[in-house]
Amino acid sequence: DAGVIQSPRHEVTEMGQEVTLRCKPISGHNSLFWYRQTMMRGLELLIYFNNNVPIDDSGMPEDRFSAKMPNASFSTLKIQPSEPRDSAVYFCASSLDLGSFYTFGSGTRLTVV
Amino acid sequence: TQLLEQSPQFLSIQEGENLTVYCNSSSVFSSLQWYRQEPGEGPVLLVTVVTGGEVKKLKRLTFQFGDARKDSSLHITAAQPGDTGLYLCAGPGGTSYGKLTFGQGTILTVHP
Repeated sequence: DAGVIQSPRHEVTEMGQEVTLRCKPISGHNSLFWYRQTMMRGLELLIYFNNNVPIDDSGMPEDRFSAKMPNASFSTLKIQPSEPRDSAVYFCASSLDLGSFYTFGSGTRLTVV
Repeated sequence: TQLLEQSPQFLSIQEGENLTVYCNSSSVFSSLQWYRQEPGEGPVLLVTVVTGGEVKKLKRLTFQFGDARKDSSLHITAAQPGDTGLYLCAGPGGTSYGKLTFGQGTILTVHP
């Protein structure tokens, strides 16, 4: 298995632009998680899905953030409009089911200038 | 919210030294996981501890879960430069089932 695949690996964008991060979970995994990592705040859970249904989005910082999971093999995290304080590494992780260990992707390093 | 506090935050040692990283909470956890993250990559699971007092060994790494299931430790014997990375503990918590709460992590640097 190729593991959890995230794209792009790096994204540099100007403030105010829309940013879309993509994730392909491991085939057969029913749960998908979006995390944000910064030096100041560590790993923060933004939202997670189980069987393509959002379970908890309480970690989404603002209405500028939205996430979708249209099918079992694809999820997106969108920021519109982006701001410099959104600069961070965004990780997608999947697990066989809720309560199982996570397999993380390699992350997307987002820089908003 | 169940919080996990890790210490120390930074650790810089020479190859061959031993070290211990701690993960503490005021809450009881049903299990705790340890991950290692290398630069430019996502965290990778090292071990899951489930039973209070449990000890698990992974080559030179020894993981222990406290008897009361509120704390855990990671001990590395004869550290190698390849052990360099960010070590994270994580546990299930919060109001929603299935999500993990992560500690802030310990950044370990092992110098040759």
